Amino acid sequence: DAGVTQSPTHLIKTRGQQVTLRCSPKSGHDTVSWYQQALGQGPQFIFQYYEEEERQRGNFPDRFSGHQFPNYSSELNVNALLLGDSALYLCASSPRTHATNEKLFFGSGTQLSVL
Amino acid sequence: EDQVTQSPEALRLQEGESSSLNCSYTVSGLRGLFWYRQDPGKGPEFLFTLYSAGEEKEKERLKATLTKKESFLHITAPKPEDSATYLCAVQAGGSQGNLIFGKGTKLSVKP
Repeated sequence: DAGVTQSPTHLIKTRGQQVTLRCSPKSGHDTVSWYQQALGQGPQFIFQYYEEEERQRGNFPDRFSGHQFPNYSSELNVNALLLGDSALYLCASSPRTHATNEKLFFGSGTQLSVL
Repeated sequence: EDQVTQSPEALRLQEGESSSLNCSYTVSGLRGLFWYRQDPGKGPEFLFTLYSAGEEKEKERLKATLTKKESFLHITAPKPEDSATYLCAVQAGGSQGNLIFGKGTKLSVKP
């Protein structure tokens, strides 16, 4: 049973460019959340997708956008990259049927470096 | 504002030397407190969920406890393979699932 898979694992971009990160949730999960983890910090919630709609959003600018496909996979897009966007981007999935997000399953992340 | 503070930032132990990690939280209506383990270059791995004060959960050498203001992760007789960053997170009552994480405690266990 494959867990949460993310691609690519590493990415280098320059300021002002745009980037797309991809995530496939764990089998049986239909809710996908994205988190940003800067070096030495805990993960910060970006947004959550369920039934192909953004359901909740953290304190991130509109440069951060996402999408969820009918097969529950998801993309995170970041426009006009800034140096401060350099971080590990984590995707987490969960089954919506649970009352809480117990056992959020995380992927290994995409390490984004902005030069 | 919902907030999670973990201490210490880093902890070095000798193999077999038991200790505790602290997680203090301020949240409007706690729905759950979560402990995760994160190895370098990997995503967080779920350890425990605690829901109410007085609750305790154990897994191998780890034991998590919860009060109304903080949680402790007790590590008994740690081994080098327990070396990792331990993250604490809370889910607030008004949220629909997002977690608020602390900065983590980086644990190193030397043989």
